[in-house]
Formats: sequence, C-alpha cells, structure tokens
Amino acid sequence: GQQVMQIPQYQHVQEGEDFTTYCNSSTTLSNIQWYKQRPGGHPVFLIQLVKSGEVKKQKRLTFQFGEAKKNSSLHITATQTTDVGTYFCAGPRNSGAGSYQLTFGKGTKLSVIP
Amino acid sequence: DAGVIQSPRHEVTEMGQEVTLRCKPISGHNSLFWYRQTMMRGLELLIYFNNNVPIDDSGMPEDRFSAKMPNASFSTLKIQPSEPRDSAVYFCASWLTPGIYTGELFFGEGSRLTVL
Repeated sequence: GQQVMQIPQYQHVQEGEDFTTYCNSSTTLSNIQWYKQRPGGHPVFLIQLVKSGEVKKQKRLTFQFGEAKKNSSLHITATQTTDVGTYFCAGPRNSGAGSYQLTFGKGTKLSVIP
Repeated sequence: DAGVIQSPRHEVTEMGQEVTLRCKPISGHNSLFWYRQTMMRGLELLIYFNNNVPIDDSGMPEDRFSAKMPNASFSTLKIQPSEPRDSAVYFCASWLTPGIYTGELFFGEGSRLTVL
C-alpha cells in the first residue's frame, strides 16, 4: 500500500539556523499536505501543494512539491523557538466510492535551542 | 465554529476496563477519522467513516476495538477490555469529503489514554 516516509526523524538546531524536512511517497500524489503539531497539541494544517514543482511560502517557511509529485520538502529559515514541534507530511489515498483518507509520514520533531 | 470536540481529554483506567472515547465532528463535515498516536508508531489511522458508514477499518488493532457513528454529529471509539499497550493519544478528525484535491483535515485536541 501507499507509504509516506519522512526524514530526519529528529532535528536539533540552534535558534537562527535553518531547518529542512523531507517527505517521500511510494506512489505519485495528487497533492501533498503539511501539518504542524506543537508539544502536547494536535496536528494543525499548514498548507497543501497541488502542482508539479510548486513552491509556496509562508513567512519563513518554504514548501516545495517535486516535479514527479512523489516528494516534498519544508524549509524553515532562521528558526525561532516558536517553530518547535513535529512537522508531518500527508498524502491522500483514494478509498473508492468518492472517499479519501490521508496517509501521514512519521513526522520530523524539531527542537530549537535558544 | 467550535471545531472537532473530543471527550474525555484524559482517561486513566486499569487493565481490563472498558474505555469509550467520544467525538463530535465539525457540523457539515461528512467524513470522520480516528487516529492513534504513539512515540513508536506515530500517527496511525484506525478507522474512518464517510456519511456515517465505516469505509476502512483495517487499522483497528484487534477485536477489542470497535467504533460507531450513529449519526452525523457523533462517533465513539470503544476499547474492551483495555490493555496497557493501548495507552496512547487518540485523535478524532473530520473534513467535508473533497474531490481529488483534498482539503484541510481538522483534528480534535485528542484523548490521552493511560491504561495501568
């Protein structure tokens, strides 16, 4: 079945350093989503990428969707302590009869050292 | 909108006891998902419903787990009997079934279960 893999599993950075997490799918995706989960919180939607090669920015966060629509990345420039949390990518899977589910990667847990 | 509402937020119980987790999806959403999150296994999809009908329950660990959605505004996840390895955070999530370009999945705040 469809698998979504993320690396690295953990990342510790000094505040101000950059951070990147990578996501790879075993199948071509119609779109890919990114979520952030703060410690003790729940996953919250960040963004969805749809087009091959698409790049989207949200302030210091840059999201990229690969040309083959099988991989994606999230890059954070000049990390801040507010960036702490686990970042998940997720790809849709057609379950038939017009219904979809999301397959989540295991996430990258980001720690920022002040 | 109040968002996805889950209860209880925390549950501590003893092995062998029955546990019932509850979820109220966002009004108008027609798909509801139950996820389990642990350090070891990450975020696992247990079961999901579309228009109150279970579509995929292949993630349900075993017969001790059951889920129902009697109407569009309420779902339960039951564990009977509970075991220590069931300790995890259980999330409910909902969305309005999109087309192929799936939209945002809204998560509840989760129910943290500890089985002693």
